[in-house]
Amino acid sequence: QVQLVESGGGVVQPGGSLRLSCAASGFTFSTYAMHWVRQAPGKGLEWVAFIRSDGTNKYYGDSVKGRFTISRDNSKNTLYLQMNSLRTEDTAVFYCAKGDSGYGGRFDYWGQGTLVTVSS
Amino acid sequence: EIVMTQSPATLSVSPGERATLSCRASQSVSSNLAWYQQKPGQAPRLLIYAASTRATGIPARFSGSGSGTEFTLTISSLQSEDFAVYYCQQYNNWPPWTFGQGTKVEVK
Repeated sequence: QVQLVESGGGVVQPGGSLRLSCAASGFTFSTYAMHWVRQAPGKGLEWVAFIRSDGTNKYYGDSVKGRFTISRDNSKNTLYLQMNSLRTEDTAVFYCAKGDSGYGGRFDYWGQGTLVTVSS
Repeated sequence: EIVMTQSPATLSVSPGERATLSCRASQSVSSNLAWYQQKPGQAPRLLIYAASTRATGIPARFSGSGSGTEFTLTISSLQSEDFAVYYCQQYNNWPPWTFGQGTKVEVK
């Protein structure tokens, strides 16, 4: 069965950096697009970043553009999110989500999430 | 950017009753609309995609309808495990992929 397991969350000071990972299993990782989605405490879902199955296309939400970088290692079945210049408003649970195709589409499986807290 | 608007924000329903949730898109998204369920402390789960197709393992009491800009999620007879927050999402015009703000279905 499909499994997505995020890691790397924690507490970081404003201006700091953090790298999230998402280990995937139960499907052919290299043939599916992947996303990061976040949810601030008590708030709704916000799409953060997308990467195509082969890594050639990447898109970002306006609130993270220029600060976050999505990447993937298809040989390790792992998705990453490098987060720099973190702000207090980046505090959220970050989920990785599997796309239903190699490019675009809906999110058919989600990980359990990892909490990022940006605070001094 | 396509803005998704859900109504109501909170829906109070008794177990066994029918629940009807609405989602409106600021411009047409064709049938590229998904519904997700999220319970407290859990990740979202895909319920419905292509506006009306149930995802794997989703009970038949969940149904979706609509196209263009107006969509509905109906839960025919609410079970205790259905009390949760429901989000709609468009995947027609991206980036960005956009979600509604959510509808909380609570016990009346």
